[in-house]
Amino acid sequence: NAGVTQTPKFRILKIGQSMTLQCTQDMNHNYMYWYRQDPGMGLKLIYYSVGAGITDKGEVPNGYNVSRSTTEDFPLRLELAAPSQTSVYFCASRGALGDEQYFGPGTRLTVT
Amino acid sequence: QQQVKQSPQSLIVQKGGISIINCAYENTAFDYFPWYQQFPGKGPALLIAIRPDVSEKKEGRFTISFNKSAKQFSLHIMDSQPGDSATYFCAASITGANSKLTFGKGITLSVRP
Repeated sequence: NAGVTQTPKFRILKIGQSMTLQCTQDMNHNYMYWYRQDPGMGLKLIYYSVGAGITDKGEVPNGYNVSRSTTEDFPLRLELAAPSQTSVYFCASRGALGDEQYFGPGTRLTVT
Repeated sequence: QQQVKQSPQSLIVQKGGISIINCAYENTAFDYFPWYQQFPGKGPALLIAIRPDVSEKKEGRFTISFNKSAKQFSLHIMDSQPGDSATYFCAASITGANSKLTFGKGITLSVRP
């Protein structure tokens, strides 16, 4: 199993551009999460999903959108990139019967 | 309002020493308390976790101590090694279908050879 995979690993965007961060898991997990990590600030939950077709906002959802059309994929969309969205983004998944969240390797995004 | 607070902010320990990281929480409904370990350029990975029905859990060199009345839990790393140098996050959640982890800010541990 590859676990949780994220693409791209790095990306530089100009202000106002849009992009989609991809996340795929092959563990048949119901629950998926998107976090952003800023230096000294820990991990902040952006959006999460409890299953295909169901998503909900986390702590810092402004400026982002998500969709969950399949169990495996949970893409994160940035529509109008802003410098405040410069961060490292992590996707995670969790099985229905467990507590452990499995994290992907992250995407480092810079908006200039 | 920060629901999960870690201390210290950074920690330097000599090889073979004991590393102690503390975490305090505010929401008494939390019932799952994990510690995650993150190496540079990698995603966090679960290290060890505890539930409030026990006061201590040990896995190898890593031990969680839990104090429900003080709303605190701590991570002890015995015989610290340079390979333990990483960022450590405590977290807390309420078990359930909509369970979401609330993370502390993380602390960077450096173990000197």
